Amino acid sequence: DAGVIQSPRHEVTEMGQEVTLRCKPISGHNSLFWYRQTMMRGLELLIYFNNNVPIDDSGMPEDRFSAKMPNASFSTLKIQPSEPRDSAVYFCASSSAGAGIYNEQFFGPGTRLTVL
Amino acid sequence: GENVEQHPSTLSVQEGDSAVIKCTYSDSASNYFPWYKQELGKGPQLIIDIRSNVGEKKDQRIAVTLNKTAKHFSLHITETQPEDSAVYFCAASIDGTASKLTFGTGTRLQVTL
Repeated sequence: DAGVIQSPRHEVTEMGQEVTLRCKPISGHNSLFWYRQTMMRGLELLIYFNNNVPIDDSGMPEDRFSAKMPNASFSTLKIQPSEPRDSAVYFCASSSAGAGIYNEQFFGPGTRLTVL
Repeated sequence: GENVEQHPSTLSVQEGDSAVIKCTYSDSASNYFPWYKQELGKGPQLIIDIRSNVGEKKDQRIAVTLNKTAKHFSLHITETQPEDSAVYFCAASIDGTASKLTFGTGTRLQVTL
């Protein structure tokens, strides 16, 4: 298995531009997570989906952030408009969730976003 | 919500020595505690986990202990090797499927020759 795939690996954009990060979870996994990692705040859960449905988006910082999962094999995280404070590494992770089972989350390699 | 504190932030040990990383959590309802290892340029990877009904778990050179009364858990790495050098994160979860993880701030472990 190729693991969780994220694209692009690096993104440099200017303030005010729209940014779209993409994720392909591991085949067969039914839960997908978006995290943001910064030096100041560490690793934060932004949103997670179960069976393509958003379950908890309480970590999404502002309305400028939105996430979608149109099907089981693809998800996007969009920032519009982007700001310099959005600069971070964004990770996507997936797992095969089941009731009462502690399920390992498999992380992708991340997208390093720089907003100038 | 849950708050997880992790110490130390950096740790340097000589090859062959042991390393201990400690975490405390705030929510007594937390019931699942994974540890992740993150190598440079990569995403975190699960190395060991423990559930609240277990006090200790060991996997070769790695062990995790949990003290529910004190609300703290620790990672122990014995006979450290250079390839153990990485950033280690503890996490806690209160939901039944470990979907919502709260991470500690990380410990950068450096194993020197």
